[in-house]
Amino acid sequence: DTAVSQTPKYLVTQMGNDKSIKCEQNLGHDTMYWYKQDSKKFLKIMFSYNNKELIINETVPNRFSPKSPDKAHLNLHINSLELGDSAVYFCASSQVAGNQPQHFGDGTRLSIL
Amino acid sequence: GENVEQHPSTLSVQEGDSAVIKCTYSDSASNYFPWYKQELGKGPQLIIDIRSNVGEKKDQRIAVTLNKTAKHFSLHITETQPEDSAVYFCAASKGTTDSWGKFQFGAGTQVVVTP
Repeated sequence: DTAVSQTPKYLVTQMGNDKSIKCEQNLGHDTMYWYKQDSKKFLKIMFSYNNKELIINETVPNRFSPKSPDKAHLNLHINSLELGDSAVYFCASSQVAGNQPQHFGDGTRLSIL
Repeated sequence: GENVEQHPSTLSVQEGDSAVIKCTYSDSASNYFPWYKQELGKGPQLIIDIRSNVGEKKDQRIAVTLNKTAKHFSLHITETQPEDSAVYFCAASKGTTDSWGKFQFGAGTQVVVTP
């Protein structure tokens, strides 16, 4: 059983489109995260939700909107996609919000044409 | 905010040799230091972590050391094998209410183990 699963694995789309990435965790964790990994492999936190409540919101364009319908799911919607949005987006979860191991999904590779 | 520097950016080792990756952090309030391994096309996987009340931790061929005074921590892999080839990331976080355990990652080290 996959602990943290993301869909889709690959997303190729045109500039200006709107797209969503979905994430689900079956670990029973309270906290979920979205990270962006750029072409140089640098990992940067974007958002974090704890029990459906937004707790971390880094300096991210407001074209990015996370939504957590329940504590096992965290989705990321991106409006008006730009070339600079091309990256790998990782979802992660941890038991609680704090100094706990984070478990990552296998990523969604977003390519903007 | 926290800044984590990781060196080297690439590391080539012969199979059977040891590999060492070093990280330095800036915020003395950081107290949790995980290490992640990322294989091609996969997400980062936790391989070992250490908390600030411990100076060293070992798990089979991997070990992590922490020097709080100097604010640096290191990953040691002994008897390297080709399957150790991957990108390794260090991270630091502090468990304060305002930070919510936010991880600051290093820039990663590409390790290549040649047979």
